[in-house]
Amino acid sequence: GQQVMQIPQYQHVQEGEDFTTYCNSSTTLSNIQWYKQRPGGHPVFLIQLVKSGEVKKQKRLTFQFGEAKKNSSLHITATQTTDVGTYFCAGRRSGGYQKVTFGTGTKLQVIP
Amino acid sequence: DSGVTQTPKHLITATGQRVTLRCSPRSGDLSVYWYQQSLDQGLQFLIQYYNGEERAKGNILERFSAQQFPDLHSELNLSSLELGDSALYFCASSVEGASGELFFGEGSRLTVL
Repeated sequence: GQQVMQIPQYQHVQEGEDFTTYCNSSTTLSNIQWYKQRPGGHPVFLIQLVKSGEVKKQKRLTFQFGEAKKNSSLHITATQTTDVGTYFCAGRRSGGYQKVTFGTGTKLQVIP
Repeated sequence: DSGVTQTPKHLITATGQRVTLRCSPRSGDLSVYWYQQSLDQGLQFLIQYYNGEERAKGNILERFSAQQFPDLHSELNLSSLELGDSALYFCASSVEGASGELFFGEGSRLTVL
């Protein structure tokens, strides 16, 4: 079945440092979504990428979809303590109707 | 507030018992998804319904079942509970069944003793 892996599993950064999480799918995706889950909270949608090679920015967050539509990345510039949480990518396989498979997640801790 | 309502928020029960988790999707959303999140783990897809019909199935145990009713709310039934079923169960909804963002409820935390 489809597998979506994320690395790293955990990341501790000093406030102000940059952070990147990588998402890799075993199959080609029709789209990729990113979610953030704060400690004790529920996942909240951040963004969706659809096109091969697409890059989208949201303030300090930059999202990228790979050319082969099998990988994606999320980069945060100058982390803040409000960035703490677990970041999940989620993808749908190409071809017909497919379920949304979440990645394994990257837990970000920001040290003030 | 995502607009997705899940009840109960917390549930403590014993092994061997049966529980029902309920989810009301956002107004207008036809698709409902159920995910299981064990402590500090990822989100495991269980099942998806679209407008009352099952659309996709994940690694859902045979002891678990779900359905979506005509008013679009959904229920997840967990039976013959085991200690390992203790987890946070999330419901999410979306407008369509094949694309678009998922709106998550706050989850139902199940503890099996």
